[in-house]
Parts: sequence; C-alpha cells; structure tokens
Amino acid sequence: QSALTQPASVSGSPGQSITISCTGTSSDIGGYNYVSWYQQHPGKAPKLMIFDVSARPSGVSNRFSGSKSGITASLTISGLQAEDEADYYCCSYTTSDTYVFGIGTKVTVL
Amino acid sequence: EVQLVESGGGLVQPGGSLRLSCAASGFTLSTYWMTWVRQAPGKGLEWVANIKQDGSEKYYVGSVKGRFTISRDNAKNSLYLQMNSLRAEDTALYYCTRASAAVAGDYWGQGALVSVSS
Repeated sequence: QSALTQPASVSGSPGQSITISCTGTSSDIGGYNYVSWYQQHPGKAPKLMIFDVSARPSGVSNRFSGSKSGITASLTISGLQAEDEADYYCCSYTTSDTYVFGIGTKVTVL
Repeated sequence: EVQLVESGGGLVQPGGSLRLSCAASGFTLSTYWMTWVRQAPGKGLEWVANIKQDGSEKYYVGSVKGRFTISRDNAKNSLYLQMNSLRAEDTALYYCTRASAAVAGDYWGQGALVSVSS
C-alpha cells in the first residue's frame, strides 16, 4: 500500500484560505468515505482535525473543513492563523482493512 | 480524560526484539479498536497495526507482517506490540492510538522511541 500523495508544502498569509490535497486510489480514498486529517506541531503527537471526510471532532475550529471528490480528498483552512503552522497528514481506510497515511504537508503562515 | 501512555522503547541491535506497552485510562478499552502508528525521525506517519475490541481480528502493514504482533489485555487496560527481527528501518517513535469508527486514531499517546542500531 503506497502512501497517499500530498503536496510537500503549502503557504499562505494570515486571514487567507489554503487547501491541501490528498490523492489516493480506488482502493482507499475512492472506495470509502473514511478520510481523516491530522495536525502535528513539532515535537507533539498528531491531533485529529477531520474524520469521515468532513466531520469535525468536538473542540476543533470550524475554520477547518474537509471534502472529497473521487480519489482526491482536500482539507481547507480558512482565516489562516499563526497557530495553524504545522504538518498535516491525511489518512484513509483501505480495502485491505488497513489504513494508509499521506506523506504529509508542511503549512507555513507567511 | 482519555490518556494513553506508551512504554518499553529503547535501543536494540538489528535482529533483536522489543515489547511496547500502552496503558489506557479515561475510557473503556474493551469497546474500542486500538492501533499502533509509527514515525521515523524526520519522516511522516505510518500505520503499523490494529486490533479489534476482543482481539479476534488483527491487521498489519506489509513491512511488519510476520515480525510484529499486536495484542491487548482489556482487564489490565493495556495494549501491546511485540516486535521481533527488528531492522534499522523500524527505528521510529511508536504511537498508541484509540481507533474509532474507521478513524485510525482519535486519541494519541506521546510515543515510545525505538532505535535499532548496532
């Protein structure tokens, strides 16, 4: 199972919106609505930000939103803030009853 | 409050073995799938294995099949990862996570560092 494809880096100015893409195959993203997104600050454990493509766990800002079309999922961060600077990983359930993560995207707030 | 605390990491020679433990609290372990995820130094996340609530189903990433074994003891509120025939490429921070409804991890521990080197 190959890692999902994400851009290595995305940047934006405070207040702007950015979108991170995550591309897989019909065996993972394209086969299920089970895409999740994680935020990881340096030296910290990952934090769940989005699950089931577009649902937000309690306590996660509504500035974070998710979507999916075919084999590509996306995470959008609106009203970009300094604390959003972190690494972001997508993750999908697969037809093998396993999970696969994306390669990760570094978000920089300019 | 959900808490997951990993232990058992350390330095081991190639070909050696190590057993990681994860102590769970703040929720009923027996009602959740549990997962191990690892992160090599400076690299991304890699899903390693998961186990069903009663231990009857277990799944592994291809690179560890036949070498790693995930297990659990719900009575002791603990998750385990037995790692045998360790290789340099197994060097990573290993996270214990609580899985929930096709989500690899809704809560994560702080990780246990495993270093495989001669």
